[in-house]
Amino acid sequence: EPEVTQTPSHQVTQMGQEVILRCVPISNHLYFYWYRQILGQKVEFLVSFYNNEISEKSEIFDDQFSVERPDGSNFTLKIRSTKLEDSAMYFCASCPSAGELFFGEGSRLTVL
Amino acid sequence: RKEVEQDPGPFNVPEGATVAFNCTYSNSASQSFFWYRQDCRKEPKLLMSVYSSGNEDGRFTAQLNRASQYISLLIRDSKLSDSATYLCVVSRYSSASKIIFGSGTRLSIRP
Repeated sequence: EPEVTQTPSHQVTQMGQEVILRCVPISNHLYFYWYRQILGQKVEFLVSFYNNEISEKSEIFDDQFSVERPDGSNFTLKIRSTKLEDSAMYFCASCPSAGELFFGEGSRLTVL
Repeated sequence: RKEVEQDPGPFNVPEGATVAFNCTYSNSASQSFFWYRQDCRKEPKLLMSVYSSGNEDGRFTAQLNRASQYISLLIRDSKLSDSATYLCVVSRYSSASKIIFGSGTRLSIRP
């Protein structure tokens, strides 16, 4: 069964460093998303991507964040200068059309 | 008011019991509704979509009430393996651009 894959599964970084989280969505899906979940808290929407551009983003997704789909298969989330409060599990998801999300297993980011 | 609200629980029920969760949403333009299940430290996984006419999948029944803007999930004959957090998910518009998660309801099934 096709699945969304994410790398790395866990990354530890120093505050102020840049981080890139990578995702390979399911190949025939059209919408791509990043969500994050701080430990013990709710799943929060960050950004959605459709037709090679951002279609919607939340207030969390500030100038420190960016997304790219550089080669038609990978979908990356970059955090330019990490803060302590960026520590969270970051989930990539894709969906073929309206609403049914398929999630990757997540990338745990720890900022020290 | 939060866009999607759920009772956080925890619900602690014996095996075999029937348990029901509700979820309310604030935006009347919401179009698509889902229940996801999330196990501890794992990714959310789709449990079922929620249709206007209500739908059933084995022991699980989902209902949508557009007039009152809530959806519900009923679990019959609960199993130990049903212990998880259940996430109410709402898509605000007919497009898939923004999909909002509730905070989740924790369910614990005891033997």
